[in-house]
Amino acid sequence: AQTVTQSQPEMSVQEAETVTLSCTYDTSESDYYLFWYKQPPSRQMILVIRQEAYKQQNATENRFSVNFQKAAKSFSLKISDSQLGDAAMYFCAYRSAENYGQNFVFGPGTRLSVLP
Amino acid sequence: KAGVTQTPRYLIKTRGQQVTLSCSPISGHRSVSWYQQTPGQGLQFLFEYFSETQRNKGNFPGRFSGRQFSNSRSEMNVSTLELGDSALYLCASRTGGGISTDTQYFGPGTRLTVL
Repeated sequence: AQTVTQSQPEMSVQEAETVTLSCTYDTSESDYYLFWYKQPPSRQMILVIRQEAYKQQNATENRFSVNFQKAAKSFSLKISDSQLGDAAMYFCAYRSAENYGQNFVFGPGTRLSVLP
Repeated sequence: KAGVTQTPRYLIKTRGQQVTLSCSPISGHRSVSWYQQTPGQGLQFLFEYFSETQRNKGNFPGRFSGRQFSNSRSEMNVSTLELGDSALYLCASRTGGGISTDTQYFGPGTRLTVL
C-alpha cells in the first residue's frame, strides 16, 4: 500500500519570502499522480497543484511550484512571495494511475503560518 | 460547473442519536469519497462510492455507513453517536474512471458536534 509522509507538522514564513514544504511517498508503482491541497481556516480544501509522475518537468501554478524527484520519491511544494492568504494547512496526496479505482492517499498535513 | 455541495453545514446532536449527512458531487462525477477530519487524527478516509457501489473502505466501525444514489449524490450515516464522532466530515468527488485528469474536489464540509 502507498503511504505519504509530511515530516513538518508546522512551518512559518515571513510575508514576501519563499517557503518549501516537504512530502515523501512510498509506492511500487511507476505511474501515478501527486497533488498538493490547501485547507485555509475556512476549512474548504482547495487543489493547489498537480504533477504527473511520467512528466519530468515540474508543475507550476503562479507562485506555487513543485520539485518532483521521482527516484527519491520526493514531492516538495515551493511557495514564492508568500502572502497572508497562504496561511493554511497543506496536504500532499497520491493517486495511482495504474489502478484508478484506488482511493487517494493523503499525508498528515503541514500547518503554514505567514508572519506579517 | 457547480462545486461539491454538502448539507447541512453544521449539526449538533447528542450521544446515542443518529445522523445523516448529504453530498452532491460535481456534475459528471461518479465517485464520492467521505473523510473524517479531527485535530488529533487528521484526515481519515471513511469510504468511497462509485456508480452506487462501495469501492473502497477505511478502518471505521460499522456505525459509519453510506450509500450512493443513481444521480451520484451520496449520503453518510452515523448511528449511535459517540462524543469522539465530533469532527468535520468532508466529501470529495471525482470522475472515478480511468482518465488521466481525474482529480478529487472537496466540498465545504459538515461540522458535526456531539454533546
